[in-house]
Amino acid sequence: DAMVIQNPRYQVTQFGKPVTLSCSQTLNHNVMYWYQQKSSQAPKLLFHYYDKDFNNEADTPDNFQSRRPNTSFCFLDIRSPGLGDAAMYLCATSRDRANEQFFGPGTRLTVL
Amino acid sequence: KQEVTQIPAALSVPEGENLVLNCSFTDSAIYNLQWFRQDPGKGLTSLLLIQSSQREQTSGRLNASLDKSSGRSTLYIAASQPGDSATYLCAVTGGNYQLIWGAGTKLIIKP
Repeated sequence: DAMVIQNPRYQVTQFGKPVTLSCSQTLNHNVMYWYQQKSSQAPKLLFHYYDKDFNNEADTPDNFQSRRPNTSFCFLDIRSPGLGDAAMYLCATSRDRANEQFFGPGTRLTVL
Repeated sequence: KQEVTQIPAALSVPEGENLVLNCSFTDSAIYNLQWFRQDPGKGLTSLLLIQSSQREQTSGRLNASLDKSSGRSTLYIAASQPGDSATYLCAVTGGNYQLIWGAGTKLIIKP
């Protein structure tokens, strides 16, 4: 089945230790998104790729970066995780902008 | 600035009842509106997408309506089941192609 896959599902890291979260898709969608969701809150868009074009949200901290080496994969790098970065990180894809977004199962990040 | 509101914040109903979840938005200039379901600790599942030119969409026991002029959408769930218990979020796609989210309605279906 075509889908959005995130690895790992659970990630524990230490304060300040870099971490990379992975997202892959079999939908061949042009757009890939990274969201941060904290408990009982709506998802917050961090950035998105429209094909190879990177779009960063104005309030996304510099600590967060992303790479999209090809259509299928997108990575979220957190350079120096702080306690406030503990959250669920959701990857989503859409065929084009303003199309339906499909979400992966998320990666739960814990920062010790 | 687009704002999306969902009422009620929480809802508890007995199994078998039909129910309606509400979503309102302040700016009618939207591309579409999407309803999602989220189970605790899980990702988001897209339930229905309504394009701005459409009035409603149906999938199984779910029916979503859109009244763009009044800035309102409803999600109707027929014959509710305990498995429908989850948080339901609506989101609109605005002029910058971003999803603007409501805070969600936490639904509990009592057996």
